[in-house]
Amino acid sequence: NAGVTQTPKFQVLKTGQSMTLQCAQDMNHEYMSWYRQDPGMGLRLIHYSVGAGITDQGEVPNGYNVSRSTTEDFPLRLLSAAPSQTSVYFCASSYGSGIKGEQYFGPGTRLTVT
Amino acid sequence: AQTVTQSQPEMSVQEAETVTLSCTYDTSESNYYLFWYKQPPSRQMILVIRQEAYKQQNATENRFSVNFQKAAKSFSLKISDSQLGDTAMYFCAFMKPYRDDKIIFGKGTRLHILP
Repeated sequence: NAGVTQTPKFQVLKTGQSMTLQCAQDMNHEYMSWYRQDPGMGLRLIHYSVGAGITDQGEVPNGYNVSRSTTEDFPLRLLSAAPSQTSVYFCASSYGSGIKGEQYFGPGTRLTVT
Repeated sequence: AQTVTQSQPEMSVQEAETVTLSCTYDTSESNYYLFWYKQPPSRQMILVIRQEAYKQQNATENRFSVNFQKAAKSFSLKISDSQLGDTAMYFCAFMKPYRDDKIIFGKGTRLHILP
């Protein structure tokens, strides 16, 4: 199993550009989520999904869109990048419904918006 | 709303010493999970230890153990015989099971193990 994969690992965008961060998991997990990590802020939840076709907002959803058309994939779209979105982004997945209680994290994407 | 507080932004200890990282949380739930995650310089998030709130026994994983005080809403991590590879950022986290799997993280404690 590859676990949770994220692409790209690094990205530089100009203000106003759009892009999609890819996330995939091969563990047949129902639950997937996106976090951003900023210095001194811990990890904050952006969006999450409890299954294919179902998504919901987390703590800091503004400026981001998600969709979940398959169990495996959960892409995060930045609609119009802003310098405030410079961050490290993590995708995570779990069995859902509290089973085992553990989330598996991808390696992260470092995004810089200039 | 649940909150997780880590009061020690940064700590340093000598190799082979024992170190305790503090975490408190606030919730009205009776059943939940608590976690400690480790993030080394590689940036990968690694689960260190997990505690289920309904279990009174403190979780232990090799050199890592927790002191779970449910009434006090405290969940500290003890690292025994610390090693250079323990140098990392450590995050305390809270999750309510059986509703959604959202995890709430503390802001982290940066731990330096000194040779």
